[in-house]
Amino acid sequence: QSVLTQPPSTSGAPGQRVTISCSGVYSNIGSNYVYWFQQLPGTAPKVLIYRDNQRPSGVPDRFSGSKSGTSASLAISGLRSEDEADYYCAAWDDSLSGRGVFGGGTKLTVL
Amino acid sequence: EVQLVDSGGGLVQPGGSLRLSCTASGFTFSNYAMSWVRQAPGKGLEWVSCISGSGAGTNYADSVKGRFTISRDNSKNTLDLQMNSLRAEDTAVYYCAKGRYGDYGYWGQGTLVTVSS
Repeated sequence: QSVLTQPPSTSGAPGQRVTISCSGVYSNIGSNYVYWFQQLPGTAPKVLIYRDNQRPSGVPDRFSGSKSGTSASLAISGLRSEDEADYYCAAWDDSLSGRGVFGGGTKLTVL
Repeated sequence: EVQLVDSGGGLVQPGGSLRLSCTASGFTFSNYAMSWVRQAPGKGLEWVSCISGSGAGTNYADSVKGRFTISRDNSKNTLDLQMNSLRAEDTAVYYCAKGRYGDYGYWGQGTLVTVSS
């Protein structure tokens, strides 16, 4: 059971826009930055969004992040076949002695 | 160019030990906290541990506390994870990552640890 809650799967046709939600509580998303990662099959994760809504250089502006309260979202517009991957949200959780937390991951299928 | 190279994985019996290493290059290693994240076969990502740039501060997931020890050698640009009392549920690909608190900007290629008799 992951600390952050993501839908297990989502899908969209090429060119469409999809959003992936990530739900937490005050001690994680409500108090700390949210990060989003893309993991293509057989490869290491790659950062897509950092500090809630910032894009690293090289990440297309089709990817955007937002946060409100204890929930965050990743939006992907102009869907492309190469976007088919697993997506994870992550944050720090201030509870107990502090711990890293991830969402369970969302499998994106491009139809 | 930032590079992280994970090594040390392999097959180990339950109750055994293994030491993973991550060799970093392309950035001033001592200026950055580092983390270990693992992924069991077919499962999602799980944070394992992190360490401050100086090595003075460490955090561990409850699932590994008391069994795993994270350490670093800033003179050699290496990050280690000593894993003792290994269990079947520790079977996973282990990734080192630059940063902590979710801010994992770069990842190693991963090294597979299999705990089985």
